[in-house]
Amino acid sequence: NAGVTQTPKFQVLKTGQSMTLQCAQDMNHNSMYWYRQDPGMGLRLIYYSASEGTTDKGEVPDGYNVSRLKKQNFLLGLESAAPSQTSVYFCASGNTEAFFGQGTRLTVV
Amino acid sequence: GQQVMQIPQYQHVQEGEDFTTYCNSSTTLSNIQWYKQRPGGHPVFLIQLVKSGEVKKQKRLTFQFGEAKKNSSLHITATQTTDVGTYFCAGQPGNQFYFGTGTSLTVIP
Repeated sequence: NAGVTQTPKFQVLKTGQSMTLQCAQDMNHNSMYWYRQDPGMGLRLIYYSASEGTTDKGEVPDGYNVSRLKKQNFLLGLESAAPSQTSVYFCASGNTEAFFGQGTRLTVV
Repeated sequence: GQQVMQIPQYQHVQEGEDFTTYCNSSTTLSNIQWYKQRPGGHPVFLIQLVKSGEVKKQKRLTFQFGEAKKNSSLHITATQTTDVGTYFCAGQPGNQFYFGTGTSLTVIP
C-alpha cells in the first residue's frame, strides 16, 4: 500500500551541485508529475509525464530535467543547483486525481 | 504563470465560524478538484466536480462548480480545529493538474 514514494525526504546541496530526486508509484498510473511548493506560490508544475517515455514542460521547468524510463518511476534532476531552487518538491501520480508523495525538502546553500 | 487563482491567501477564524475559499480559472475547465494539505504534510484529494453548476457535500464541507466551469468554491460550516490546513483547488484544462495558490486556514479555539 505504498502509493507514491519519494526519496530523499531532506537534502542540503551546495550551489552548483547536481542531484536527482526519485519518485516511484505502485498504482499503475500513466501520468506522473513534479511540483514545487513555495510560500504564497501554491504548487507549481515543473514537469509532467503522460506516459512512459514521454515528458513535457510545466510552468517552471528551467534548471530541471526529468526522465520517465519506466512507468513506475519519474526522476527529477537538478543540473546545477541554485539557491532559488530551495523548495519543497512533491511528486504525484494519477489520471483523474493526484496522489502525492511525502515531499522532499531541498535546501541549496 | 498561474492559470488558477485562489482567494483569500490566508484566513483566520474562530472555532465554530464558517469559512469559504474561492477559485477562479482563466480558462474553462473539464473538472475542478479540491485538496487539503495539513501543516507539514502533503496534499490529499477531497473531491472532484465535473458538471456545470454541480454542488457536492461532505459533512460540513460544501463544494460548488460554477455554471461557466471557470470558478469554484469550498465552504466549511462551523469550523473545527481539525479543519486547519491549506486548501487547494486544481483544474484540468488538459491532461495535467494546475493548482491554485491555496488558502491557509487557521482555526482559533
